[in-house]
Order: sequence, then C-alpha cells, then structure tokens
Amino acid sequence: QLQLQESGPGLVKPSETLSLTCTVSGGSISSSSYYWGWIRQPPGKGLEWIGSIYYSGSTYYNPSLKSRVTISVDTSKNQFSLKLSSVTAADTAVYYCARHGQYCSGGSCYQGGVDYWGQGTLVTVSS
Amino acid sequence: SYELTQPPSVSVSPGQTARITCSGDALPKQYAYWYQQKPGQAPVLVIYKDSERPSGIPERFSGSSSGTTVTLTISGVQAEDEADYYCQSADSSGTCVVFGGGTKLTVL
Repeated sequence: QLQLQESGPGLVKPSETLSLTCTVSGGSISSSSYYWGWIRQPPGKGLEWIGSIYYSGSTYYNPSLKSRVTISVDTSKNQFSLKLSSVTAADTAVYYCARHGQYCSGGSCYQGGVDYWGQGTLVTVSS
Repeated sequence: SYELTQPPSVSVSPGQTARITCSGDALPKQYAYWYQQKPGQAPVLVIYKDSERPSGIPERFSGSSSGTTVTLTISGVQAEDEADYYCQSADSSGTCVVFGGGTKLTVL
C-alpha cells in the first residue's frame, strides 16, 4: 500500500522560506506513470494546487505561486520536496503531498487526479 | 487564470439525489475529478476521468459531463455523505491543475 508522509517545520517566520519533504513508501517515485505534487488548504478554505514534479525532474507550478515555489525530487531517497520563499501569513495552511495519475491523449501525457494523499501537515507563518 | 466554478452549498434529505455541478471553459478538453473531504481528513477521490469510480467507492456516486459542465451525482444520499466536495481539472494546456472552490453538502 502506497503511503506519503510530509515532514518539516510547523512554524515559519514571515519572509523566510517554508521547506517540506514528502517521503514515499510502498512504491517507487521513479515510476513513469505518475506525477508528485503539493496541494495546500488554508484553515476553513478550499484546496489550492501548488505544483507538481515528474520523476525526470520536469516541474509544473501554479502561476500565482510560481515566482516563490521550487519543487525537487530525490529518487535515491524516494522523496520530493517543496520550498516556498518569502512567506506571509497568507501561506498558513495544511500542506498535502500527493500522487497524481497520468493520462495520455493525442501524443501528449498530462497530470490526472490525485489517487494518494499524505495526511497533511499544518504550517503556520508567524513571528 | 483558469477557474472552476462550484455552488458553495447543496442541501438534500436522506434518500434523495444530490447533484453538484462544476463549470469551466476547458472541461470539454480536460478530464474532471471529484473529491470528498470530511473535517480533519485528507480528500478522497470519488470520481476520476469524468465518470469512472475508483474501487471501494459506493455505486451511489456517479459523474457525468456535458459541454463546459461536469456533475457529481449522489443517489440515495446517506448521512455519511455529508462533506465538502471538490472538482479538479486542468487548464486547456493540460499543465496547470485547478481545483474548484468546493461545495458543502448538507444532509438535512
């Protein structure tokens, strides 16, 4: 059974960089059939996709966060990571790591829905 | 930026049918996915590729697509179906994932 587990600080100061890691167990992050992503949910609000990475290192980011986001993958550790710079209180949220399926059409392949989620970790931005 | 539009809330009595819509210009080109989220829990995929149901999801959950609108239908709603529901798709290029704003389903 695939499992995803987020880890990282639960409290980050304003203007600093939020860093989280997702460890994947029960399956390989190097599979060509999936993308690995980060999704967040501010308290009491909806889901927001942050970005995703393919095992090859190709990245896809939410345009509204792109200037502050870096997602990387470490296949040797079966992990992928999120860095979000210059955080403010608006970045306070539960952060989920997730596995997206893939579907192919017309010669191109795309991210599909999320079939596995981490349990989520609350990150609070406060001084 | 691309958006998916859902109604904020839907209310139904037990045993009735709940329908939750999601609208977006790229939906004719991109698949839609639906998630159920209960308080304090991670979302759960209930419909993928517009109308497919993952194993373990009750048959009362179904999905459909028509033009720029996709619909999640829950037939014979049960009290345990009370939750927030989110649609998810991608922009027309297929590279940017988007979530709808979510719909709170209340079982009266």
